[in-house]
Amino acid sequence: QSALTQPASVSGSPGQSITISCSGSGSDIGTYKHVSWYQQHPDKAPKLLIYEIDKRPSGVSNRFSASKSDNTASLTISGLQAEDEADYYCCSYASSAAFVLFGGGTKLTVL
Amino acid sequence: EVQLAESGGGLVQPGGSLRLSCAASGFIFSDYWMHWVRQIPGKGLVWVSRIDTDGSTTTYADSVRGRFTISRDNAKNTLYLQMNSLRAEDTAVYYCARGAWGSAVFFDPWGQGTLVNVSS
Repeated sequence: QSALTQPASVSGSPGQSITISCSGSGSDIGTYKHVSWYQQHPDKAPKLLIYEIDKRPSGVSNRFSASKSDNTASLTISGLQAEDEADYYCCSYASSAAFVLFGGGTKLTVL
Repeated sequence: EVQLAESGGGLVQPGGSLRLSCAASGFIFSDYWMHWVRQIPGKGLVWVSRIDTDGSTTTYADSVRGRFTISRDNAKNTLYLQMNSLRAEDTAVYYCARGAWGSAVFFDPWGQGTLVNVSS
């Protein structure tokens, strides 16, 4: 039950766009629509950003968008702001696991 | 406002036991599946366990199955995690999280977490 694969870090300047990838397999991301993304600021609880591949909960900025292609999910943050600096985690239902797998997390630095 | 508040964490020796609680408010607790997710400080998130709305169905990660027990008291709007035979590798911040409605799979919201430190 390996975790989903995310880049350890990404960075961008204010106003730019960045994309975080999340690589899985045919037993998780590749087959199921149950992909979600979470934002976690230091010493804070995770916050839901995206669910069911590309849906945004009410209250989440439309600067956050997501998609899925084959075994890879992606989160895009446009118009980067300083407050976006945080850790980001992907998550997918996985038939190979007891329930879900999380990615290892990606640290976003806003330069 | 939907809120979850964990308690019960602390320092425990290897082989010991601890019971975590998660008090829910602001929503109809008995309508939702509930989950525990843990995070080793500085590391990623790992799903631990889930329980259905009336407590009749539970699921565990392989790493805790047979040692941890999830339960709930809908009358008290409270979720529990009984942790036995604790190991150093169980040291983590434990979050409770509300599950999704219907067939969707996601966690929202999360509690603030409670730290469990397994050390001699």
